[in-house]
Amino acid sequence: AQSVTQLGSHVSVSEGALVLLRCNYSSSVPPYLFWYVQYPNQGLQLLLKYTTGATLVKGINGFEAEFKKSETSFHLTKPSAHMSDAAEYFCAVSVSGGGADGLTFGKGTHLIIQP
Amino acid sequence: NAGVTQTPKFRILKIGQSMTLQCTQDMNHNYMYWYRQDPGMGLKLIYYSVGAGITDKGEVPNGYNVSRSTTEDFPLRLELAAPSQTSVYFCASSYSWVEAFFGQGTRLTVV
Repeated sequence: AQSVTQLGSHVSVSEGALVLLRCNYSSSVPPYLFWYVQYPNQGLQLLLKYTTGATLVKGINGFEAEFKKSETSFHLTKPSAHMSDAAEYFCAVSVSGGGADGLTFGKGTHLIIQP
Repeated sequence: NAGVTQTPKFRILKIGQSMTLQCTQDMNHNYMYWYRQDPGMGLKLIYYSVGAGITDKGEVPNGYNVSRSTTEDFPLRLELAAPSQTSVYFCASSYSWVEAFFGQGTRLTVV
């Protein structure tokens, strides 16, 4: 079975600073990896995904993530934080491609942006 | 294009009551899912469906039932509501692994 661990339930950064949200996964087969963002009282929106190929993936709103198999990690980064980035971020994994039996989510990281 | 629509947005139930959470999608997606979200716990899969007439249990199916009579609709039924079912429920759909589209959620309180 697969699992996801997100380090830090809350992360606070200053506006303009680097954003780094950590995600480690456990999977016995090559995983598909996803980052979703949730704004208050909203559903989840896909930020980016890794399926196969290039290990550095770029997403919306200036976010990117790098798949590191040796470290079983898929950390999310953004060079310069903006106030509008304040939200809940979820890392998720699927071993069936997410199309058949759904996603396994981490517990989420609440990103706080300090002015 | 409405995407995934969930109704109602909010509901308060008394213990032992029953209700159906509605979910419909207009993207002709084969795959549909129900998740529940509890504070600090992420999302957990309740049930999923890979097509009309086919459903299967997820990680936390106890106390819930689903049906999938059409491609568009995937209702979630709570038969005997319990306080442990107080949660935010999300319906999602996808064509494949490319992207899962989520509804806005239903906030359910059982008192």
